[in-house]
Amino acid sequence: NAGVTQTPKFRILKIGQSMTLQCTQDMNHNYMYWYRQDPGMGLKLIYYSVGAGITDKGEVPNGYNVSRSTTEDFPLRLELAAPSQTSVYFCASSSAGRSSGNTIYFGEGSWLTVV
Amino acid sequence: GESVGLHLPTLSVQEGDNSIINCAYSNSASDYFIWYKQESGKGPQFIIDIRSNMDKRQGQRVTVLLNKTVKHLSLQIAATQPGDSAVYFCAENGSSNTGKLIFGQGTTLQVKP
Repeated sequence: NAGVTQTPKFRILKIGQSMTLQCTQDMNHNYMYWYRQDPGMGLKLIYYSVGAGITDKGEVPNGYNVSRSTTEDFPLRLELAAPSQTSVYFCASSSAGRSSGNTIYFGEGSWLTVV
Repeated sequence: GESVGLHLPTLSVQEGDNSIINCAYSNSASDYFIWYKQESGKGPQFIIDIRSNMDKRQGQRVTVLLNKTVKHLSLQIAATQPGDSAVYFCAENGSSNTGKLIFGQGTTLQVKP
């Protein structure tokens, strides 16, 4: 298994541009997440999904959109990039939610700079 | 609101010594806690987890202790090695049913040779 795969690894965007961060997992996990990590900080949840066709906002959803058309894929869309969205983005997945306490597995991260 | 905090931003230890990284959490409803290790330029890597019905769990060279009375979590690393140098995050599942985690800020562990 490749686990959680994110692309691109690095990207520089101009203010106002749009882009999509791709995320796919091959572990057949129902739950998927997008986190962002600012320098020297912990991770903050942007959006999550408990299954195909279902998405919900996390702590910091503004400026982002997601979709979950398949179990494997959970792309994150930035519509109008702003400097405040300069961060490292991590996609993650898990097989179940809280009641099972299943481990969340992370991708390697996508470094995004908005200039 | 929910929050998870780490007591020290940086911990420096001598190679071979034991390391203890502490974490406080605020949500009494949390029943699952995880420690992650994050090396520079990489995503968080699972180290060990513990459920709230336990107060101690051991892995290979790592032990997690949970004190629900004071809402405190610690990660102990035995015989710390240079490869242990990283940022360590504790995370809790809060009151959510969706598996999403609340992360602390992180403690940087520096291992001196």
